[in-house]
Amino acid sequence: NAGVTQTPKFRILKIGQSMTLQCAQDMNHNYMYWYRQDPGMGLKLIYYSVGAGITDKGEVPNGYNVSRSTTEDFPLRLELAAPSQTSVYFCASRRPSDSSYEQYFGPGTRLTVT
Amino acid sequence: AQKITQTQPGMFVQEKEAVTLDCTYDTSDPSYGLFWYKQPSSGEMIFLIYQGSYDQQNATEGRYSLNFQKARKSANLVISASQLGDSAMYFCAMREGLEAAGNKLTFGGGTRVLVKP
Repeated sequence: NAGVTQTPKFRILKIGQSMTLQCAQDMNHNYMYWYRQDPGMGLKLIYYSVGAGITDKGEVPNGYNVSRSTTEDFPLRLELAAPSQTSVYFCASRRPSDSSYEQYFGPGTRLTVT
Repeated sequence: AQKITQTQPGMFVQEKEAVTLDCTYDTSDPSYGLFWYKQPSSGEMIFLIYQGSYDQQNATEGRYSLNFQKARKSANLVISASQLGDSAMYFCAMREGLEAAGNKLTFGGGTRVLVKP
């Protein structure tokens, strides 16, 4: 299993540009999450999904959109990038029946908006 | 109010000694769980340990143990016999509510640990 994969690893955007951060998992996990981590801070939830076709907002959803057309993929769309979106973005997934409640994290995407 | 508070921004520990990382939480939900994740300088998030609110015993995983004091709303991580590879950021996190709500995590601000040889 590759686990949770994220592409790209790094990206520099100009203000106003748009991009999609890709996230895929091959563990057949129903639940998927997007977090952002600002420098020196903890992670904050952007969006999450409990299954294909179902998404919901987290703590900091403004400026982002998501879709979940398959169990495996959960892309995060940034529209009109702003410097405040400079951050490291982590995707995570978990299996609902897992009693440890562990979320499996991808390696992250480091995004700079200038 | 902060849901997860980690009051120690950074700390040094001597190799082979034990270290305790503090975490306090705030929730009114009777069903919740506390996690600790490690983030080394390479950036990945590594799951260490989990404690559910209804678990009677404190969780342990190898050199990691979670000191869960429900009445005080604290969930401190104890790392025994520190190793140089334990140098990292450590995050406390909490899930609240039932499974169907998605088990979203709320993270604290983290504690940076540096192990000295």
